[in-house]
Amino acid sequence: DAGVTQSPTHLIKTRGQQVTLRCSPKSGHDTVSWYQQALGQGPQFIFQYYEEEERQRGNFPDRFSGHQFPNYSSELNVNALLLGDSALYLCASSLKASAQETQYFGPGTRLLVL
Amino acid sequence: LAKTTQPISMDSYEGQEVNITCSHNNIATNDYITWYQQFPSQGPRFIIQGYKTKVTNEVASLFIPADRKSSTLSLPRVSLSDTAVYYCLVAANHGSSNTGKLIFGQGTTLQVKP
Repeated sequence: DAGVTQSPTHLIKTRGQQVTLRCSPKSGHDTVSWYQQALGQGPQFIFQYYEEEERQRGNFPDRFSGHQFPNYSSELNVNALLLGDSALYLCASSLKASAQETQYFGPGTRLLVL
Repeated sequence: LAKTTQPISMDSYEGQEVNITCSHNNIATNDYITWYQQFPSQGPRFIIQGYKTKVTNEVASLFIPADRKSSTLSLPRVSLSDTAVYYCLVAANHGSSNTGKLIFGQGTTLQVKP
């Protein structure tokens, strides 16, 4: 039973560029959430996708957008990259219908913006 | 959303039992208490989740008093590999408008010494 997978594992971009990160949820899960984790901080919620729609959003600018596909996988897009976007980007999956909706995290994508 | 307070850091020795207490005075009726463990440059790993009283799994125990305003994660006989950051979160369950949005604090950095 595969857990949450993310790609790529590491990425280096320059300011102003655009980036796309990918996530495949744990088998049987239908909901994907994205988090940004700066060095030394706890993860910060970006948004959540369910039924191919954004359901909740954290305090992130419109430069951060996402998509969920019919197979429940998801992408996170960040436009006009800033140095401050350098972070570990985490994807978490869950099952919306379950009582606790426990979220399971992937290994993350380390993004460095130069 | 309920805010959590936990110690910034704790030290222990191999073989000891470690108890990490988390305060969540404003926990709502719909909220579950969830603990995650995170190693450097990895995604948070789900440890245990509970609503009230005591929950035990193969990794840890979670003690929740009747008023649910705090909880204690208990790790029996820690080893060096338990050195990590431990996050306490309260998260709304299915049916709440806030489901899916996990709010992480800075967590408790546990250092296990030989």
